[in-house]
Amino acid sequence: EPEVTQTPSHQVTQMGQEVILRCVPISNHLYFYWYRQILGQKVEFLVSFYNNEISEKSEIFDDQFSVERPDGSNFTLKIRSTKLEDSAMYFCASSWEHNSGNTIYFGEGSWLTVV
Amino acid sequence: AQKVTQAQTEISVVEKEDVTLDCVYETRDTTYYLFWYKQPPSGELVFLIRRNSFDEQNEISGRYSWNFQKSTSSFNFTITASQVVDSAVYFCALTEGSARQLTFGSGTQLTVLP
Repeated sequence: EPEVTQTPSHQVTQMGQEVILRCVPISNHLYFYWYRQILGQKVEFLVSFYNNEISEKSEIFDDQFSVERPDGSNFTLKIRSTKLEDSAMYFCASSWEHNSGNTIYFGEGSWLTVV
Repeated sequence: AQKVTQAQTEISVVEKEDVTLDCVYETRDTTYYLFWYKQPPSGELVFLIRRNSFDEQNEISGRYSWNFQKSTSSFNFTITASQVVDSAVYFCALTEGSARQLTFGSGTQLTVLP
């Protein structure tokens, strides 16, 4: 069964360092997302991406964050200068369509620890 | 603004018991979609079900069943004859017709004891 894959599964980084989280969405999907989950808390929307541009973003997704689809398969989330509060599980997701009823499939997550 | 409430933070049952996970939602839209996701200890989010606001028919899939009631704005999830492998955090989520992002509840940690 097709799935969303994410790398790395776990990364430890020092505060102030740049981090890139990578994702390979399901191959025929057109819409891509990043969500995050701080330990013990709910899953929160960060950003959605379609046709090589951001279609929606939350207030969490500030200037420190950026997304890119550098080639036909990868979708990346970059955090420019990490803070302690960026420590969280980051989920990549994808869907075939970008309407509210379309099912969003999630990857296994990338656990980011900022020290 | 949309909101999803899962009042049960943690539930613990013994294997083979039935268990119901509650989900109450708030939305101003008449068109919306409700979802359940499972997050096992390994951390991934696994899609379980999607319902739209126009379809109140209850659904059964094996040991899983869902009860959607618009009158009480609830979308509850029942696991029949629970198994240890059902131990996970279960999230209810919502998207509205005008918004395209999933709004998640805070999750219910289900522990099934052998």
